[in-house]
Amino acid sequence: QSALTQPASVSGSPGQSITISCFGTRSDVGGYYHVSWYQQHPGKAPKLMIYDVVTRPSGISDRFSGSKSGNTASLTISGLRAEDEADYYCSSFTTSNTFVFGTGTTVTVL
Amino acid sequence: QLQLQESGPGLVKPSETLSLTCTVSGASITNCCYYWGWVRQPPGKGLEWIASVYYTGSTYYNPSLKSRVTMSVDTSRNQLSLKVTSVTATDTAVYYCARHLMNSHDFWGRGTLVTISS
Repeated sequence: QSALTQPASVSGSPGQSITISCFGTRSDVGGYYHVSWYQQHPGKAPKLMIYDVVTRPSGISDRFSGSKSGNTASLTISGLRAEDEADYYCSSFTTSNTFVFGTGTTVTVL
Repeated sequence: QLQLQESGPGLVKPSETLSLTCTVSGASITNCCYYWGWVRQPPGKGLEWIASVYYTGSTYYNPSLKSRVTMSVDTSRNQLSLKVTSVTATDTAVYYCARHLMNSHDFWGRGTLVTISS
């Protein structure tokens, strides 16, 4: 199975909104509503930010939102803050009963 | 409070078998309906899903690693285990233990670095 495709980097100024895309196939992103997003700061474990495409776990800021269209999922961070600077990964359940992660996107707050 | 703690040797020689254990505390691994899995991350690179198991013993593997990986559960000790055979330098990574449902990995251990080197 191939990793989902994400842009290597995205940047924005404080207060702006940015969107990270996640390109998959009909066998993963396009086939299920089970897309999730993770935030990872250096040296730390990944943290779940979004699941089931649009749902935020308890305690996650509403500045983070998710969406999906066809084989592409997206994560939008609005009101960008310095603490949002991190790596972000998408993930999807697949038709083979496996998981696949995205290639990862480094978010830089200018 | 749920805690996942990975443990195992930090250094493994090439061609040998990497063995890791994940001890779960604060919840039983037999609780419906969670799966437990392993995810790894080579230094400076992205996340790679390795395998998952349900407490009944049902397992699911990454096709690219399936021939070398075995995952199992010990319900009496509330532990998971991972074995990777015939390791090479490309298996050098931080290995994370995580709980998941079909829709996400919602709880992660802190990870343990395993280096493959002679």
